[in-house]
Amino acid sequence: DAKTTQPPSMDCAEGRAANLPCNHSTISGNEYVYWYRQIHSQGPQYIIHGLKNNETNEMASLIITEDRKSSTLILPHATLRDTAVYYCIVRSNTGNQFYFGTGTSLTVIP
Amino acid sequence: NAGVTQTPKFQVLKTGQSMTLQCAQDMNHNSMYWYRQDPGMGLRLIYYSASEGTTDKGEVPNGYNVSRLNKREFSLRLESAAPSQTSVYFCASREQGSQPQHFGDGTRLSIL
Repeated sequence: DAKTTQPPSMDCAEGRAANLPCNHSTISGNEYVYWYRQIHSQGPQYIIHGLKNNETNEMASLIITEDRKSSTLILPHATLRDTAVYYCIVRSNTGNQFYFGTGTSLTVIP
Repeated sequence: NAGVTQTPKFQVLKTGQSMTLQCAQDMNHNSMYWYRQDPGMGLRLIYYSASEGTTDKGEVPNGYNVSRLNKREFSLRLESAAPSQTSVYFCASREQGSQPQHFGDGTRLSIL
């Protein structure tokens, strides 16, 4: 099953773009990449997901490399409320299991 | 919409006691999941139910049982609680295909 690698922590200045990288070099052709975030100890909040093409919604943009071995989540204008742990997840071959790693702890600095 | 509702929100148990954590979703989702999250760690899958009437083990099933009562409800039972099961438990649900999971607010369980 494909797993992901993320940096443990990052800082970003308020108002600037936050770019969170994720490596998923063992991803298979039909596996999607999902991004979630968790604020304090609340339930994880879904942000965005994609397969091959870049995706954008009201929260963020997802850039997936052409070889699909890595992706970047972009928060275009980070606010203090974006301080959270961000998880990059690849869905398993069976299609039912989602593997969470330890994520990236993003701190937005005033 | 309530989404995914977990009860109780907090619980303290003594070692050896039993407990059932309840989860209900109102989004008509087919799949439901139970995770645990220990301090400083990501979520680990305990059990999941791909559809009504089916359940499967995840990464850390030992010490737990589940019941998919109907399409809406998926319960997690600790038959004989142990201190190692002190954790925050999250329930999630999702539709089929590529749709994402939606999570509840968690149950914070302490076992003394």
